[in-house]
Amino acid sequence: DSGVTQTPKHLITATGQRVTLRCSPRSGDLSVYWYQQSLDQGLQFLIQYYNGEERAKGNILERFSAQQFPDLHSELNLSSLELGDSALYFCASSEEQGGTDTQYFGPGTRLTVL
Amino acid sequence: GNSVTQMEGPVTLSEEAFLTINCTYTATGYPSLFWYVQYPGEGLQLLLKATKADDKGSNKGFEATYRKETTSFHLEKGSVQVSDSAVYFCALSVAFTGGGADGLTFGKGTHLIIQP
Repeated sequence: DSGVTQTPKHLITATGQRVTLRCSPRSGDLSVYWYQQSLDQGLQFLIQYYNGEERAKGNILERFSAQQFPDLHSELNLSSLELGDSALYFCASSEEQGGTDTQYFGPGTRLTVL
Repeated sequence: GNSVTQMEGPVTLSEEAFLTINCTYTATGYPSLFWYVQYPGEGLQLLLKATKADDKGSNKGFEATYRKETTSFHLEKGSVQVSDSAVYFCALSVAFTGGGADGLTFGKGTHLIIQP
């Protein structure tokens, strides 16, 4: 158990809908990262927040957004969903802002768009 | 940009065999290097890491050495077990000047199957 929690574990929805994925980092970690894992794209970094502020952006679509709240939990919002958004979404956390830091991964949320 | 290349497999070995999974990288800047492992139905777990050239990361019998001259971070284990069957990901992160870093850049993963 990494100490990072993600809810829900599974999510099934329809095209065009909007969903919210939630992540709670390990106690004491200030950074939260979001990753997408799919068969064709592999593991891709989406976005990072550090102590409530956006710190780095990867291959995140404009239809996707995220935020980190004062209690340090984070939410990833996915809107206007398409079939190709079906994937496993991981959240990770680390103590500081990355680089040499170890990132601890949650168990993931599996999103299925029908 | 940053990228990581690793053999995708599947790699099938017999128990007690020697394991090498190759990983090479390109990076704009000075990266930290990581190996993560993903067991079926689970998230990623850090296996080992190295943050500067010639550093050797090791854990649970696995080792990898940060080779700047060959831009490589190959994973090795002397004697594999059935319980080592998993997907192994090589990854890098480059720190920004002035603090912070980009997210992890992953290779496509190597599926390792160990047969009894």
